[in-house]
Amino acid sequence: DSGVTQTPKHLITATGQRVTLRCSPRSGDLSVYWYQQSLDQGLQFLIHYYNGEERAKGNILERFSAQQFPDLHSELNLSSLELGDSALYFCASSVGGPGTEAFFGQGTRLTVV
Amino acid sequence: LAKTTQPISMDSYEGQEVNITCSHNNIATNDYITWYQQFPSQGPRFIIQGYKTKVTNEVASLFIPADRKSSTLSLPRVSLSDTAVYYCLVGDYGNTPLVFGKGTRLSVIA
Repeated sequence: DSGVTQTPKHLITATGQRVTLRCSPRSGDLSVYWYQQSLDQGLQFLIHYYNGEERAKGNILERFSAQQFPDLHSELNLSSLELGDSALYFCASSVGGPGTEAFFGQGTRLTVV
Repeated sequence: LAKTTQPISMDSYEGQEVNITCSHNNIATNDYITWYQQFPSQGPRFIIQGYKTKVTNEVASLFIPADRKSSTLSLPRVSLSDTAVYYCLVGDYGNTPLVFGKGTRLSVIA
């Protein structure tokens, strides 16, 4: 158990819908990262928050947004879902920035039908 | 961002030592080298990190030559449970995103 909690574990939704994925980082970790992993794309970095502030953005679509709340949990919002958005979405946390050891959650498997 | 190059896949028999090499020719002075392991449908797990020379922990060793343009992850006496994808990452402790490449798929055979 990494200490990072992601909910829900599985999500099935229809195209065009909107979903919210939630991540609770390890106690004391200030950084939260979101990644998308699909079969043919590998692990794609989406976004990094540190203590509530956005620090880096990767290949995150405009239909996707994220935030980190004062209690340090984070949410990833995916809207106007397309079939190609089906993937495993991982959240990771670390005590400091990207160079410090990151702990990954078990992921949310999103299936868009 | 320093680009990394790793073999796509490797096979090994149980009990053998496995060495996975990663090239990072444009590594910057402040960059560290970090390796992660990922099992199917699970999040990656930190294995080891180093800056130069050799680092060893309970699961692996990391060898980094003086020029730091490459690094080698060494897994002693692998078992079937070491079958996974291994990622080499290069970055500093600042805001450079933790970017994963394609990794090396290690298959351990009985």
